[in-house]
Amino acid sequence: QSALTQPASVSGSPGQSITISCTGTSSDVGGYNYVSWYQQHPGTAPKLLIYDVSNRPSGVSNRFSGSKSGNTASLTISGLQAEDEADYYCSSYTSSSTYVFGTGTKVTVL
Amino acid sequence: QVQLVESGGGVVQPGRSLRLSCAASGFTFSNYGIHWVRQAPGKGLEWVAVVSSDGSNKYYADSVKGRFTISRDNSKNTLYLQMNSLRAEDTAVYYCARRGIAATGDSWGQGTLVTVSS
Repeated sequence: QSALTQPASVSGSPGQSITISCTGTSSDVGGYNYVSWYQQHPGTAPKLLIYDVSNRPSGVSNRFSGSKSGNTASLTISGLQAEDEADYYCSSYTSSSTYVFGTGTKVTVL
Repeated sequence: QVQLVESGGGVVQPGRSLRLSCAASGFTFSNYGIHWVRQAPGKGLEWVAVVSSDGSNKYYADSVKGRFTISRDNSKNTLYLQMNSLRAEDTAVYYCARRGIAATGDSWGQGTLVTVSS
């Protein structure tokens, strides 16, 4: 049950687009379309941004989008805004009927 | 609206036990699987355990298998996490999360802090 691999940090200027990667294996990310993405601001609970690789829950900005290729999933934030500065986590279902989160990425808006 | 409220956290000595609760409201509790997810201070999210909607299926992370037990009481709309043989590395905020549209949780509680220390 190794954590999915994410870059420790990603930064961008307001209005730019950034992409966060989430790399797993064929036993998790690559094997199922059950990848989710969460945003977490300090001291708060995670908030769901994307589910099932590319679906947005009601109320989540369309500036957030998800995709997957092979064993790597990606979250793209377009039109970066100051309030997007937070930690981001991916997650996946696994072949052992368990779940695994990514290592987390800190997004900084320059 | 969907609400999950964790309780039962606190300071406990290594080797001792603690039981966490997660009270649910605003949805039909018995229709959903529920996760426990934890976050050590300054660290990332770690999946802990999940229980199916009827309580018949339970899965655990290797790090807690054999020490933690997840259970639920659908008549009380409450989820539990019995934690035995606690270790310093179990120190974390523990969240419960509903397995709804998202496999690892679409609605989360605010968390309860467990500190394992002598």
